[in-house]
Amino acid sequence: DAKTTQPNSMESNEEEPVHLPCNHSTISGTDYIHWYRQLPSQGPEYVIHGLTSNVNNRMASLAIAEDRKSSTLILHRATLRDAAVYYCILYSSASKIIFGSGTRLSIRP
Amino acid sequence: DTGVSQNPRHKITKRGQNVTFRCDPISEHNRLYWYRQTLGQGPEFLTYFQNEAQLEKSRLLSDRFSAERPKGSFSTLEIQRTEQGDSAMYLCASSPLSVYGYTFGSGTRLTVV
Repeated sequence: DAKTTQPNSMESNEEEPVHLPCNHSTISGTDYIHWYRQLPSQGPEYVIHGLTSNVNNRMASLAIAEDRKSSTLILHRATLRDAAVYYCILYSSASKIIFGSGTRLSIRP
Repeated sequence: DTGVSQNPRHKITKRGQNVTFRCDPISEHNRLYWYRQTLGQGPEFLTYFQNEAQLEKSRLLSDRFSAERPKGSFSTLEIQRTEQGDSAMYLCASSPLSVYGYTFGSGTRLTVV
């Protein structure tokens, strides 16, 4: 399974944008980039996914590098409820999701 | 549809007892997955089903663990002769046959005493 590399932790201020980086240098052509987040005492929650083009939804934006070897999850205006562990995952429909250790995001009021 | 439902939410059992967890996926989702998560770690894959067929099992799934998905609907995960090391959150997820995301349940927290 292709691996991703994320910082262990990040901090940001409330109401400011947050950029969560992910490196995936061994990505294959069929791998989609998925992001999930897990709030305390809850199951993971799907955030966004993309293949080559940048993607936006109501939760976040996903910026994918042209060579697809890295991506960035962007939370446009962080709130305290965004404090969670964020997982960057490579996924193709023929496989299953394998979680790494993710990035623990803390939000300062 | 209210999402993926898992029961019970919490289970405390004595070492050596058998336990069974249930997962009700989103009805139109063909795939169903089981994961285990211990404190401070990401979820670990255990097994998954496509409809009623169990397509993959992790090496983490010892012979004390068995999962079923009769008729391709709900699924059960049974742990026989529980050990303290089985204490964890057991998560179920479902997905359609595509690259769209998984929907996870809230999990069943197992404590073996």
